[in-house]
Amino acid sequence: AQSVTQLDSQVPVFEEAPVELRCNYSSSVSVYLFWYVQYPNQGLQLLLKYLSGSTLVKGINGFEAEFNKSQTSFHLRKPSVHISDTAEYFCAVRGGSNYKLTFGKGTLLTVNP
Amino acid sequence: GAGVSQSPSNKVTEKGKDVELRCDPISGHTALYWYRQSLGQGLEFLIYFQGNSAPDKSGLPSDRFSAERTGGSVSTLTIQRTQQEDSAVYLCASSLDFSGDLAFGSGTRLTVV
Repeated sequence: AQSVTQLDSQVPVFEEAPVELRCNYSSSVSVYLFWYVQYPNQGLQLLLKYLSGSTLVKGINGFEAEFNKSQTSFHLRKPSVHISDTAEYFCAVRGGSNYKLTFGKGTLLTVNP
Repeated sequence: GAGVSQSPSNKVTEKGKDVELRCDPISGHTALYWYRQSLGQGLEFLIYFQGNSAPDKSGLPSDRFSAERTGGSVSTLTIQRTQQEDSAVYLCASSLDFSGDLAFGSGTRLTVV
């Protein structure tokens, strides 16, 4: 079984500031890791994913995440945020050949002017 | 092409009534998932369909919940004798196969009064 912990339920930042949204996972098998974004009243949209290879993964809208196996983390970063990045962000894990995506509880990112 | 479509987008029902939520996956996607999103609780897996295989119903919270997928395409999630704790956003997702990226619908917001 796998689980995901998103350490911050809310992260307020000012526009053009850098941001890091934290995600830790646990799994007894090798994992695939994902970040999804949910804008108000919309479904989830895939931001980026780690399957294998380079531990630094780049996604849409200038986001990137780094897979750290020793720390079992997959933190999401953006060097300079915009108002339009205000949304809820979900980290998710899929273990090995398991089809089931397990999600964290989400982090609400609020970008203020 | 068309994404995952869910209907209705909003549903208000009286406690004790039955409701049906519909999901139209992306054409050609063999895998279909239902998740429940409650405030501050992230996404909770409910049920998974893959082709003609028996569905994984391990996430259904009680026997009041059931789902079917007809002809390998449209899926219906049924909640019988609704309770107030059933109030949530119900999200449907589909993918090409068990390992593919999930595409989410915009969800059905269910309110039980």
